[in-house]
Amino acid sequence: KQEVTQIPAALSVPEGENLVLNCSFTDSAIYNLQWFRQDPGKGLTSLLLIQSSQREQTSGRLNASLDKSSGRSTLYIAASQPGDSATYLCAVDGAGGTSYGKLTFGQGTILTVHP
Amino acid sequence: DGGITQSPKYLFRKEGQNVTLSCEQNLNHDAMYWYRQDPGQGLRLIYYSQIVNDFQKGDIAEGYSVSREKKESFPLTVTSAQKNPTAFYLCASSIGVGRQGRGQGGQFFGPGTRLTVL
Repeated sequence: KQEVTQIPAALSVPEGENLVLNCSFTDSAIYNLQWFRQDPGKGLTSLLLIQSSQREQTSGRLNASLDKSSGRSTLYIAASQPGDSATYLCAVDGAGGTSYGKLTFGQGTILTVHP
Repeated sequence: DGGITQSPKYLFRKEGQNVTLSCEQNLNHDAMYWYRQDPGQGLRLIYYSQIVNDFQKGDIAEGYSVSREKKESFPLTVTSAQKNPTAFYLCASSIGVGRQGRGQGGQFFGPGTRLTVL
């Protein structure tokens, strides 16, 4: 059974810092990995999707990398801003065989960026 | 304006009552999903549907039911058999499932419905 772990559980940084959020998964036979952002009381916003054949994806100040063989992904946020404060969730699709697009989620990292 | 809508935003249920949560998408996606989010437990899959008139149980389907009569709509009913229904419910959709049952593309989420049992 696929398990996803995110470290750290919470992170507080001053504005302007570069930071890294970590995600690990137990079964490397994934089809893709997706990073989401969730603001309090809101739905999930998709940030980046990395296919299993890709090593990284970039969008603005965000960069996500994927190392399937070691079961790890990192989300790099450059020049953090208070508006980046949210919970960041990592989710993987697949653990061998057919997945039907079902995602397994980590518990999330709560990020606080203070001015 | 494409996206996924969920209604209502807040819902209150009395003991023994069935309630239905609405989920609609205009993204022309084949696959739709229902998740439940509880503090400290992350998101857990309740039901999913790959195509109209077909749906499958997820990890925590007991006490829930769904239907998929239209491509755009995937309503979730929380029945009186669900003993602890208070949670945040999220609906999602994706392009669909390709060959060999592999999911295609990423998932896109609605704004959620918060259900509280009185």
